[in-house]
Amino acid sequence: SAVISQKPSRDICQRGTSLTIQCQVDSQVTMMFWYRQQPGQSLTLIATANQGSEATYESGFVIDKFPISRPNLTFSTLTVSNMSPEDSSIYLCSAGQGYGYTFGSGTRLTVV
Amino acid sequence: TQLLEQSPQFLSIQEGENLTVYCNSSSVFSSLQWYRQEPGEGPVLRVTVGTGGEVKKLKRLTFQFGDARKDSSLHITAAQPGDTGLYLCAGDRSGGSNYKLTFGKGTLLTVNP
Repeated sequence: SAVISQKPSRDICQRGTSLTIQCQVDSQVTMMFWYRQQPGQSLTLIATANQGSEATYESGFVIDKFPISRPNLTFSTLTVSNMSPEDSSIYLCSAGQGYGYTFGSGTRLTVV
Repeated sequence: TQLLEQSPQFLSIQEGENLTVYCNSSSVFSSLQWYRQEPGEGPVLRVTVGTGGEVKKLKRLTFQFGDARKDSSLHITAAQPGDTGLYLCAGDRSGGSNYKLTFGKGTLLTVNP
């Protein structure tokens, strides 16, 4: 299965600023996914990132707030824009298909 | 409405005890996957069950997929402190066509020595 390197692992950011999270996969994958998770709780899908096209966002998430890039089949970024304390969370990327998915180790974001 | 109902949400047991986590839905899934997540890490896939009635065993862990493909269970025998973590069930309704998973709320398991 694919191995995903995600960075940064954690950051503390000032409100109103933006943070870009990067995920590098060690093999080519068709779809990548971005999730948000509160510690000890389940995952909420933010968007699905397909190479060469715009990301598909889930209800409650918009491109202006969470722009995503997918320049090739091994890399994706998620930007959390104009951050507020409510954006404090763990952000995870994932890749895979069908019968199993691999996740990055997550980015723990704290907005102060 | 939660598509995948996972229970219990929290479970604290003593080493050596047995436990079962349930994942239930009114919808049919192509497959159900079980992940375990430790603090500071992403979820790690433990097993995928894709055939109705399927049972898979990984050492002390037994995973079962319901005949109707709407529910699944994870049973741990003689739990150990190393089993501590967040267990997540996730269902694929698309048959792999759009690759989107639906996650349960998770079960936070603590095994005390």
